[in-house]
Amino acid sequence: GNSVTQMEGPVTLSEEAFLTINCTYTATGYPSLFWYVQYPGEGLQLLLKATKADDKGSNKGFEATYRKETTSFHLEKGSVQVSDSAVYFCALSENSGYALNFGKGTSLLVTP
Amino acid sequence: DAGVIQSPRHEVTEMGQEVTLRCKPISGHNSLFWYRQTMMRGLELLIYFNNNVPIDDSGMPEDRFSAKMPNASFSTLKIQPSEPRDSAVYFCASSRGQGGDSPLHFGNGTRLTVT
Repeated sequence: GNSVTQMEGPVTLSEEAFLTINCTYTATGYPSLFWYVQYPGEGLQLLLKATKADDKGSNKGFEATYRKETTSFHLEKGSVQVSDSAVYFCALSENSGYALNFGKGTSLLVTP
Repeated sequence: DAGVIQSPRHEVTEMGQEVTLRCKPISGHNSLFWYRQTMMRGLELLIYFNNNVPIDDSGMPEDRFSAKMPNASFSTLKIQPSEPRDSAVYFCASSRGQGGDSPLHFGNGTRLTVT
């Protein structure tokens, strides 16, 4: 079946540090890949997505590249801010399906 | 766009009581999802509706859980009777279309505590 594995947190970084959150997936077909972010007390919000191999999704300084050869979709940001503190979820869906398979989430804390 | 609206934000109830969670999806979205979030299991899909029809309820834990969508602008998730292990944050989400790459829009969730 389909599944997503992401690195366990919490991840603690100083402001302006480089961020990488690893995500690998298992899928039977050709999934779309997503990163969602959850700020405290809120629901998840779509951060970025990629729908085919070698696509790069980007938003708010975050980037992730769909790597079919390594079945990965790692999230990166060059310089994190305190306001980026949140929980980040990697997810996949089969394009012919409807449901998202979410990873367990990675908590990020950015300190001043 | 008001977003997905869930009520109540917090619910505290005693074991054995009935609990009803409510959701108003974004207007024009024809897919609706109920998810449950816990520390142990992360996000679990409970049920998926498309055009008000339940398509997949395989994630509903047991007969104590039921969900309805009487019209395109309202859905409920009911737990009867509630148990302490039902304590979690319950999210409703909606999307346009039913394709897998349609982004989900989540509500702010209902935090349920069953004592």
